[in-house]
Amino acid sequence: AQKVTQAQTEISVVEKEDVTLDCVYETRDTTYYLFWYKQPPSGELVFLIRRNSFDEQNEISGRYSWNFQKSTSSFNFTITASQVVDSAVYFCALSDLNDYKLSFGAGTTVTVRA
Amino acid sequence: SAVISQKPSRDICQRGTSLTIQCQVDSQVTMMFWYRQQPGQSLTLIATANQGSEATYESGFVIDKFPISRPNLTFSTLTVSNMSPEDSSIYLCSDMTVTGELFFGEGSRLTVL
Repeated sequence: AQKVTQAQTEISVVEKEDVTLDCVYETRDTTYYLFWYKQPPSGELVFLIRRNSFDEQNEISGRYSWNFQKSTSSFNFTITASQVVDSAVYFCALSDLNDYKLSFGAGTTVTVRA
Repeated sequence: SAVISQKPSRDICQRGTSLTIQCQVDSQVTMMFWYRQQPGQSLTLIATANQGSEATYESGFVIDKFPISRPNLTFSTLTVSNMSPEDSSIYLCSDMTVTGELFFGEGSRLTVL
């Protein structure tokens, strides 16, 4: 069975602070995908990144960066110099490479205060 | 990425009625899925919508309650049958692109009175 744990329920920061969201996963599969999604107050789910399990390179996209550590089964997400528009619920998710069914974490609510 | 359109975006329904949610993708995709997000909760997979055949349901979800159709590669519907207040949720359609990304529609926010 697959399981994704996002231990941080809520994080509140002041604008321009960095914020790191933790994601720990469990799977018996040797190959899998990891995802991060953003859900702003409007409710839609915005795709941020997909990472293959065999690619442990860290990735940076603008103010977003991701740190994948297979040894600790973690896929953490950092927002640098946070902005008010970053306020949202962020979900980490896991799927295998056969059926692509997503198992979601509970989500972390990020509030960025001006 | 394939653009996913869902209708209705929101609705308020009476207990005991049924509502059909439509999902249209602007390009052919290999897989389509339906998820439910109950208030304040994470997302749970309802089923995989299979083109031209019966959907594959996850544990806890049954066809009589959530009938799904997928007549072609770009369109799917989810019906929430005999609704109760416990069915109040956001229902989201998802597709998988040929490059393996999984995108979501904007969701259909359903309130059952």
